[in-house]
This record gives sequence, structure tokens and C-alpha cells, in this order.
Amino acid sequence: KAGVTQTPRYLIKTRGQQVTLSCSPISGHRSVSWYQQTPGQGLQFLFEYFSETQRNKGNFPGRFSGRQFSNSRSEMNVSTLELGDSALYLCASSLDGAFYEQYFGPGTRLTVT
Amino acid sequence: SQKIEQNSEALNIQEGKTATLTCNYTNYSPAYLQWYRQDPGRGPVFLLLIRENEKEKRKERLKVTFDTTLKQSLFHITASQPADSATYLCAGPDGSGNTGKLIFGQGTTLQVKP
Repeated sequence: KAGVTQTPRYLIKTRGQQVTLSCSPISGHRSVSWYQQTPGQGLQFLFEYFSETQRNKGNFPGRFSGRQFSNSRSEMNVSTLELGDSALYLCASSLDGAFYEQYFGPGTRLTVT
Repeated sequence: SQKIEQNSEALNIQEGKTATLTCNYTNYSPAYLQWYRQDPGRGPVFLLLIRENEKEKRKERLKVTFDTTLKQSLFHITASQPADSATYLCAGPDGSGNTGKLIFGQGTTLQVKP
């Protein structure tokens, strides 16, 4: 089966701009989670969507938001970008949440200048 | 707060030896732990899940243990190969009952030398 896809793979933005990242989960998976990965903080949970509803949220400011569509595809948005938002953003899909095997996409490398 | 901790120092071993990686958890008792492998520039790949009532789990050359007394999971790769070189991540539920949230350790980088 096709894996998790994320677009774009690389992105360069300037401070103050906003960005939208996209994630297409594995067919049949209803849970989509987003993570931010940086060398200093490792993998940090942003939020999880299940059946178009945000089910869990991590400790990130409100500038980070997301949504999920009826086909389970998900987007995350970061507004008013800061230099510290530079990171690898990973999307993971699963059948139903953290207990299940998470299938990660290749990530979007965001650089904020 | 709940934490999952891994030795952030790289582990260097010789090909053919057994690699042992450690994952410690603090301030809670996870119902399960998961192990992932991550190669540079790529997303993590699921390897194994072990429940708290399982002492040990195996998959080919991989073995994971769960010791609730020591609050620790060990991840073993037997007969290691250079292709096993990667960062290995330990993850568990966040402990608050949220079904969708995993917390990850910092990962341990394994380097297998030929």
C-alpha cells in the first residue's frame, strides 16, 4: 500500500509569513498526528486529528493549527513564523491513535530566515 | 511530568556484536512502549511494540524487553550489521489517557562498524 506522503518536502520562508503543510495518510487510516522535530528538542507532539476532529493537542502556541478533511488528508498551518519554527515537520497516520503502529511520512523541512 | 529518556550519546559497536539500547521512563507507568528507527532525513519507521505485561518481544534479530520494576525497556539488535546504523527512538503514551499522543525519547544513534 502507498505510504504517507507529505508536501512540500522543503520550504524556505521568512519571519512573519505563514505556511501550510499537507499530509496524505495511508488509505484506511483515520488518525493523523503531527510532530515537530529539532536537534535540541527531539520529536514533539503537535496535535492529532481523528475523523476530522482534533482529538489531542500538544504544548504549542496557537500559531500552530491544523485540520483534517473527510478523506483523512490533513493540513497544518503555522502563522507569523519565527526563526525557532525551523524544523522537520512529520506527519504520522495510524488506524486509531497512539497504541497503533505509527506510519510516518518523509517530513517537510521548514527553514525560516 | 512524564518523561521518556534515552542515552543521547552515540553507541559504537563492531559488526556481528549485539547492540543494546536503553529507554527509561519517569513519573508514570506506560501501558506500552514502541521502538522506531530513523535514518537521516527520513521519517521514523515502526519496529516493535511491547505491552507492560509482556516481558519480552522478538522480531527477527530484534528483541525488546519491558521491566516495570526498573522502569526501563531494553532494545537489542543481535548480529548487528552496518545497515543497522541509524537513530533508534523509544516512545510511549503520554500518560494522561489521551489515546492519540505519543511522547518520544531523544533517540540513541547506533553506529555499526564493519
